[in-house]
Amino acid sequence: DTAVSQTPKYLVTQMGNDKSIKCEQNLGHDTMYWYKQDSKKFLKIMFSYNNKELIINETVPNRFSPKSPDKAHLNLHINSLELGDSAVYFCASSQDLYSTASTDTQYFGPGTRLTVL
Amino acid sequence: DAKTTQPNSMESNEEEPVHLPCNHSTISGTDYIHWYRQLPSQGPEYVIHGLTSNVNNRMASLAIAEDRKSSTLILHRATLRDAAVYYCILRLSNAGNMLTFGGGTRLMVKP
Repeated sequence: DTAVSQTPKYLVTQMGNDKSIKCEQNLGHDTMYWYKQDSKKFLKIMFSYNNKELIINETVPNRFSPKSPDKAHLNLHINSLELGDSAVYFCASSQDLYSTASTDTQYFGPGTRLTVL
Repeated sequence: DAKTTQPNSMESNEEEPVHLPCNHSTISGTDYIHWYRQLPSQGPEYVIHGLTSNVNNRMASLAIAEDRKSSTLILHRATLRDAAVYYCILRLSNAGNMLTFGGGTRLMVKP
């Protein structure tokens, strides 16, 4: 069973469009994340979210918004897509954002490659 | 922010041990050292973590310096499937589960 899944795997779209990437986890975790990996392969946290709190990386444009219909899903909505948004986006989950358990690790999805033309 | 420093790339021969170094001189006493790896075209996956003592699991071993300012991930017998980017990350005690990835070390394994 896939622990963290994302759809679509590839997304090609035109500048200015609005698109969404879906993420689902079946691990029963309370916290989910979105990361962006750019062409230089650096992974940067965009958001972390549990059912009580959204933490936004201050460098993320407000065109990006996470939406969580329930604990198992955290979708990423992107408005007015720009060329610079082209990247691979990874969803991840962990048991608890503020867990102090050393064993609390993050589980990543397979990624969505977004190409903006 | 606590940061880690890793070599950009390393090479290894198949079936030989690999030692991947990481420096984290600004680590504080309660920060955990986590290692993740990213295989080609996949998301990162957890490898191992530790605080002060050396750690072993089915994937690797983690050797932590006595002063905790550096650590080494040890793959005992590299296989072609171990070719990946390995990230050494400090899980900061004041940041919950937030992970800050650096550039990592690209490990190439030669047959």
